[in-house]
Amino acid sequence: EAQVTQNPRYLITVTGKKLTVTCSQNMNHEYMSWYRQDPGLGLRQIYYSMNVEVTDKGDVPEGYKVSRKEKRNFPLILESPSPNQTSLYFCASSFLGQGSYGYTFGSGTRLTVV
Amino acid sequence: DAKTTQPNSMESNEEEPVHLPCNHSTISGTDYIHWYRQLPSQGPEYVIHGLTSNVNNRMASLAIAEDRKSSTLILHRATLRDAAVYYCILRGTTSGTYKYIFGTGTRLKVLA
Repeated sequence: EAQVTQNPRYLITVTGKKLTVTCSQNMNHEYMSWYRQDPGLGLRQIYYSMNVEVTDKGDVPEGYKVSRKEKRNFPLILESPSPNQTSLYFCASSFLGQGSYGYTFGSGTRLTVV
Repeated sequence: DAKTTQPNSMESNEEEPVHLPCNHSTISGTDYIHWYRQLPSQGPEYVIHGLTSNVNNRMASLAIAEDRKSSTLILHRATLRDAAVYYCILRGTTSGTYKYIFGTGTRLKVLA
């Protein structure tokens, strides 16, 4: 089944403890992206990647890192999480194709930083 | 970056058509118009997309204005399962470095 898989689904952590949220897709998509969703603010793009070893900042990249060493994986790294990074995170992927392809989203990771 | 504007909320009666508007006055010539919906406690789900011509699929129809500065997502017969937040976004190589920006969307309430 074609899908984007995020892990974990739920995570509670303490301030400053490094964590990684994994994202994997099985559709050979070039484009992958991370979003965070907060009440009243909609979905905001954190980082995106157009292919292996090609990443760029979205609208809210501060406090996050990403890497794209393989086409299928795009982990989101929080080196020193803070409470303002408590949010619902979504990974998404698509073919590039000049914008003519739709996104497939993962099921989300709910992160709580205390 | 090209932005979209949508009403915060709309209501519809079950079994009736719903027209969800989206304004995108700064759209570039090669930007595609995409619609997604997000059901409670789920990730966004692709609904439909188009470039210039109106589009139909099993979920919905997309009507695009001739000047492309606005579009309308049409649900032909709303059901209770269509209650969701609907997002309109622009995707394209000229809309700003592949930053695909979601607005705050339209929360659709379907009344039984």
